[in-house]
Amino acid sequence: DTEVTQTPKHLVMGMTNKKSLKCEQHMGHRAMYWYKQKAKKPPELMFVYSYEKLSINESVPSRFSPECPNSSLLNLHLHALQPEDSALYLCASSQDPPGSSTDTQYFGPGTRLTVL
Amino acid sequence: QKEVEQNSGPLSVPEGAIASLNCTYSDRGSQSFFWYRQYSGKSPELIMSIYSNGDKEDGRFTAQLNKASQYVSLLIRDSQPSDSATYLCAVSESGGGADGLTFGKGTHLIIQP
Repeated sequence: DTEVTQTPKHLVMGMTNKKSLKCEQHMGHRAMYWYKQKAKKPPELMFVYSYEKLSINESVPSRFSPECPNSSLLNLHLHALQPEDSALYLCASSQDPPGSSTDTQYFGPGTRLTVL
Repeated sequence: QKEVEQNSGPLSVPEGAIASLNCTYSDRGSQSFFWYRQYSGKSPELIMSIYSNGDKEDGRFTAQLNKASQYVSLLIRDSQPSDSATYLCAVSESGGGADGLTFGKGTHLIIQP
């Protein structure tokens, strides 16, 4: 089973709202990722958590705030977003952190975010 | 700057034929190579992973890796209309300091019935 779940599937928010995206995996994976994907573009890495610690932050604006409450859960807190932040937000997990021999990433279904 | 290059297409292939997708990468430290399939509006789905030079077959799919030429390819035999999608090549470097997947821009594949 290589299932990663994400909620909600769709989210519409205003620029002054605060919302959160949730990602969950029960495969015992030790690394989890957030990606942003704009239309007709490849996914862009935002954050990497390895062993529940933030290991990579790809210079993402502070209006995006990741959180890893435990080894199975990953949240992305959103605040004061801009319309250009509208995109598909993808969560992924891998058995081990990037660079290991077991770093195959499995993606969740994504959250389609629209910022008005 | 690590780069992964793919022909964006569209690549049009008749049903039942072999579809050949190609990818080159710039970082010689790359260790892991992946092909993902992505349908419009959906998330990427892992098709194949390959780590050593040569061919790896899984059903109708064959991945080929040539590290000397920094080239990885995906062959799809007996192409079906359901194979129509964007195929993303992704590369991961090895060792500490690796920062996850670098994706190519994807090849849009169209299988013509």
